[in-house]
Amino acid sequence: AQSVSQHNHHVILSEAASLELGCNYSYGGTVNLFWYVQYPGQHLQLLLKYFSGDPLVKGIKGFEAEFIKSKFSFNLRKPSVQWSDTAEYFCAVNEGNTGFQKLVFGTGTRLLVSP
Amino acid sequence: DVKVTQSSRYLVKRTGEKVFLECVQDMDHENMFWYRQDPGLGLRLIYFSYDVKMKEKGDIPEGYSVSREKKERFSLILESASTNQTSMYLCASPTSGRPSSYNEQFFGPGTRLTVL
Repeated sequence: AQSVSQHNHHVILSEAASLELGCNYSYGGTVNLFWYVQYPGQHLQLLLKYFSGDPLVKGIKGFEAEFIKSKFSFNLRKPSVQWSDTAEYFCAVNEGNTGFQKLVFGTGTRLLVSP
Repeated sequence: DVKVTQSSRYLVKRTGEKVFLECVQDMDHENMFWYRQDPGLGLRLIYFSYDVKMKEKGDIPEGYSVSREKKERFSLILESASTNQTSMYLCASPTSGRPSSYNEQFFGPGTRLTVL
C-alpha cells in the first residue's frame, strides 16, 4: 500500500528564515502529489499540486515544491517565512489515473514561526 | 469554490451512543469522503462514496458506517461510540472532471467528537 512520510513533525523558525519540509512516498508508478495546509482554527486547504510537466510547482502564498522522481520526494519550500505561515502542513499522494481520488496523507508537520 | 459544511463543530457523546455526523456539499459532486484526523497520525480515510447509495471502505472502516441517500449529503455513523473514536472528523469533496485523481479535495471545517 502507498505510504507517505513526513520526517519533520515539529519545526520552529524565526520570521524571514527559509523553510523546507520533507515528503517522501512509497509508490513507484505514476503519482499525483499535493500539499495541504491547515491554519489554526481553519479547514484544510490546498497549497499546491503536481500532476506532470515541470517538476517545480508554485502554489499560493509564495510556496513551491519540487518533485524528484528518483528520490520519491516532493519537498515543500518557502524562501522567507512569515508569522502567518504558522500552520500544520500535510503532504498527500494518490496514484495517477485512478477512478477515485483516494489520497494517502502523511502525518503532518506543525510549523511555528516566531515573530 | 465548493462549499462543504458539517453539522457540528463540537460534539460530546457517551460510550455506547449512536452518533451521526452529517456532511453537505453544494456543488452536485459525485465523490465524498470521510477522514479522521489524529495528532501524529495525519488524516486517515474511513469511508468514501462515489455516487448515491454507493460506498467503499477506506483504510479504517471498523466501528463506522455511512449513508448516502442524496447526492449532496454524506453521513458518517458510529453505531456504538467508544472512547477510541474521540477524534476530529473531516468531510471532503473533490471537484468533478476526469481523471478524478487530478482533482482538488475541498474540506469541511471538521467535527471534533469527544466520547466520554
